Amino acid sequence: DTGVSQDPRHKITKRGQNVTFRCDPISEHNRLYWYRQTLGQGPEFLTYFQNEAQLEKSRLLSDRFSAERPKGSFSTLEIQRTEQGDSAMYLCASSFTGATEAFFGQGTRLTVV
Amino acid sequence: KNEVEQSPQNLTAQEGEFITINCSYSVGISALHWLQQHPGGGIVSLFMLSSGKKKHGRLIATINIQEKHSSLHITASHPRDSAVYICAVRVNQFYFGTGTSLTVIP
Repeated sequence: DTGVSQDPRHKITKRGQNVTFRCDPISEHNRLYWYRQTLGQGPEFLTYFQNEAQLEKSRLLSDRFSAERPKGSFSTLEIQRTEQGDSAMYLCASSFTGATEAFFGQGTRLTVV
Repeated sequence: KNEVEQSPQNLTAQEGEFITINCSYSVGISALHWLQQHPGGGIVSLFMLSSGKKKHGRLIATINIQEKHSSLHITASHPRDSAVYICAVRVNQFYFGTGTSLTVIP
């Protein structure tokens, strides 16, 4: 297992376009988290899954954002009608439930032009 | 109000100096994590703490659950330690501090 992987690493899109990111967690990790990080700030929580169930969503996750984890393995994060303010690093992490180690992906850097 | 507060925000040190980064949090937690983030965005987990103290090489992390405070120490700092260090606490999901940007000058 090579850890948490995210695809793509970089994405440049025009305002108004839809984008989709993928996160492959560490095998058998039941928790998967999505975070957004803007320059100079710490990551902000977007949503997390336990297996395929989306347990919590941040108010930051507007109607234009949707996340899925259909089989409890990989997850996708889609942003519809992108805006310039969506430009950020989108980070994925996975862990087991409880006080266990968490592992982060390299992130997907989104630039909306 | 942020659930996790870190200090300092920026830190410049001479190579060899002892460095301390502090983290205070306001929520009940199951664990506290110290993370390292290099330019380019990748985050590496350095420590996970539920109590006490952990040491890995030149890095030492301590936590005081009663005071809701943790510190990350770097002994004999080196330019390769230059990175952003982020404190994160875990309830169900993670709450992150804004990070401490460390620059170690040769």
